[in-house]
Amino acid sequence: KAGVTQTPRYLIKTRGQQVTLSCSPISGHRSVSWYQQTPGQGLQFLFEYFSETQRNKGNFPGRFSGRQFSNSRSEMNVSTLELGDSALYLCASSVAGGPETQYFGPGTRLLVL
Amino acid sequence: AQSVTQLGSHVSVSEGALVLLRCNYSSSVPPYLFWYVQYPNQGLQLLLKYTTGATLVKGINGFEAEFKKSETSFHLTKPSAHMSDAAEYFCAVTYDRGSTLGRLYFGRGTQLTVWP
Repeated sequence: KAGVTQTPRYLIKTRGQQVTLSCSPISGHRSVSWYQQTPGQGLQFLFEYFSETQRNKGNFPGRFSGRQFSNSRSEMNVSTLELGDSALYLCASSVAGGPETQYFGPGTRLLVL
Repeated sequence: AQSVTQLGSHVSVSEGALVLLRCNYSSSVPPYLFWYVQYPNQGLQLLLKYTTGATLVKGINGFEAEFKKSETSFHLTKPSAHMSDAAEYFCAVTYDRGSTLGRLYFGRGTQLTVWP
């Protein structure tokens, strides 16, 4: 099976812009979780989607949003970018989002100037 | 609150030496524990996991970890380090509860350096 894929791999944006990141889960996986990784804060949970519904959300401002499509592919959007949003954004998929293994994609590295 | 503590942000060992990376969790409910490895500019790769049953878990690349409930620990070990083991290692925990659906709680990571 193909692994989790994320596009694009690298992005450079300027403050105030918005960005959309995409994640394609492993075939058959219906749960997609998003994480932000920074040197200062480590790995932080953004949100989780299952069957097109957000079931869980981390402590991030409303500028961070996401959605999931009927084929389980997911996108996350960050509006009004700030310098502090520069990070590696990781997507992970699992079968159903329970206490099970999450499989991670390679990440999208976002740089905000 | 759920949390994971990894003691030692940097660990250095010589090639062939024992690798020991420490992880402690805090929780009042049964945990599901994971170790992931991250190589530069890559995502996270699962090394091993503990769900239920046998407390000594074997993973890929010769790594293993032991779940010790009394010590709330899940330390990662490898008998003999290899140069290719140099990477960052993350301990993570989740629970079988609705409030943690799809969510892993991660430690801050331990950077492992292997000297020739």
